[in-house]
Amino acid sequence: EVQLVESGGGLVKPGGSLRLSCAASGFTFSNAWMSWVRQPPGKGLEWVGRIKGKTDGGTTDYAAPVKGRVTISRDESKNTLYLQMNSLKIEDTAVYYCAWELLGGLGYWGQGTLVTVSS
Amino acid sequence: DVVMTQSPLSLPVTLGQPASISCRSSQSLVHSDGNTYLNWFQQRPGQSPRRLIYKVSNRDSGVPDRFSGSGSGTYFTLKISRVEAEDVGVYYCMQGTHWPTWTFGQGTKVEIK
Repeated sequence: EVQLVESGGGLVKPGGSLRLSCAASGFTFSNAWMSWVRQPPGKGLEWVGRIKGKTDGGTTDYAAPVKGRVTISRDESKNTLYLQMNSLKIEDTAVYYCAWELLGGLGYWGQGTLVTVSS
Repeated sequence: DVVMTQSPLSLPVTLGQPASISCRSSQSLVHSDGNTYLNWFQQRPGQSPRRLIYKVSNRDSGVPDRFSGSGSGTYFTLKISRVEAEDVGVYYCMQGTHWPTWTFGQGTKVEIK
């Protein structure tokens, strides 16, 4: 069974940093392309970025609103995906989901972790 | 970035009746590989999104056959043949054709009349 379990969310002040984790199981994580998607409270979904599988070079892509402030990485030894967020803004407040990219879309999602940016 | 526009944004439906949601893209979603990467997701209240449909019309595993997707180019539709109570939630379309940024529609809230 595919499982994606996010953690690391919490309350952080504007300008602060936070690292989210996503523990993966039930599939071959090293080859999987993984994405982060966020959802502000009461609003829609926004793709944040992706990291390709190890065999595809492990390169990253980011959405414009977060580029330069976030870094996606992965640790194959721990089957874990990360989202490092710096210089956080109030508008970054959202539930952050990790997702496994399959067949040209996001096939499996985690339960999400809430990040609140507030002074 | 490709803009995805859904309609309607709110859809009151009667149990047992059909429902239809439209999604338009600002550019054709036909990829250079010949595939059209249009996905549909369901998000029930308090839950994570779940993909229902990939590549326009293919149902994901476990998705009831009352859900169907159709369309081509820039116009796509998700249909529910007979709405059940468990179908209440918000439905999103998403394009996976144009890289690197994938984009979602605004969401359509389905509720029971």
